[in-house]
Amino acid sequence: GENVEQHPSTLSVQEGDSAVIKCTYSDSASNYFPWYKQELGKRPQLIIDIRSNVGEKKDQRIAVTLNKTAKHFSLHITETQPEDSAVYFCAASTGWGGSQGNLIFGKGTKLSVKP
Amino acid sequence: NAGVTQTPKFQVLKTGQSMTLQCAQDMNHNSMYWYRQDPGMGLRLIYYSASEGTTDKGEVPNGYNVSRLNKREFSLRLESAAPSQTSVYFCASSDGVPNQPQHFGDGTRLSIL
Repeated sequence: GENVEQHPSTLSVQEGDSAVIKCTYSDSASNYFPWYKQELGKRPQLIIDIRSNVGEKKDQRIAVTLNKTAKHFSLHITETQPEDSAVYFCAASTGWGGSQGNLIFGKGTKLSVKP
Repeated sequence: NAGVTQTPKFQVLKTGQSMTLQCAQDMNHNSMYWYRQDPGMGLRLIYYSASEGTTDKGEVPNGYNVSRLNKREFSLRLESAAPSQTSVYFCASSDGVPNQPQHFGDGTRLSIL
């Protein structure tokens, strides 16, 4: 089955710097890759997702890149702000029905943005 | 539009007690999921329901049962709670068609003494 590895587990940056979180996946059939942000004590919330027919997607200060050949995808946050501090989870799915449609999550990256 | 609603938000149980966690969604989603979240372990799938009338085991189903009551509601039952089941439980739902995101509830924080 699918396995998703996420690095680093913790990341500390200065306000205004960029942050990059990387994930690798094992199942070459995976074609959907969402990223979730979870603030302390809150629910995971989708911040951006990418499908395998594109290599990059941007939404304001957030971007995700996908390299299907190498089976890895990354989250890029530019001009970080203190409110970006949270735990970020990547996930992968083959997108098909039944169990193959389920998301497999990485173990999370705790991002701290220092003012 | 409430999205995914979980009850209760907090619960303390004694070992051996039983409990049902409730989840309801108002987005007309076909698929629903139960996860547990433990420190450093990410989100692990307990059970899921791809569509009304079906349920299947996820990664960590032992000690749990589920019921898909109707399209809106998906409950998780602990028949005989154990300290190892102390965790934060999240319910989620999705459209069920390929490549669509899951939407999470606020979670239930469960402690078993």
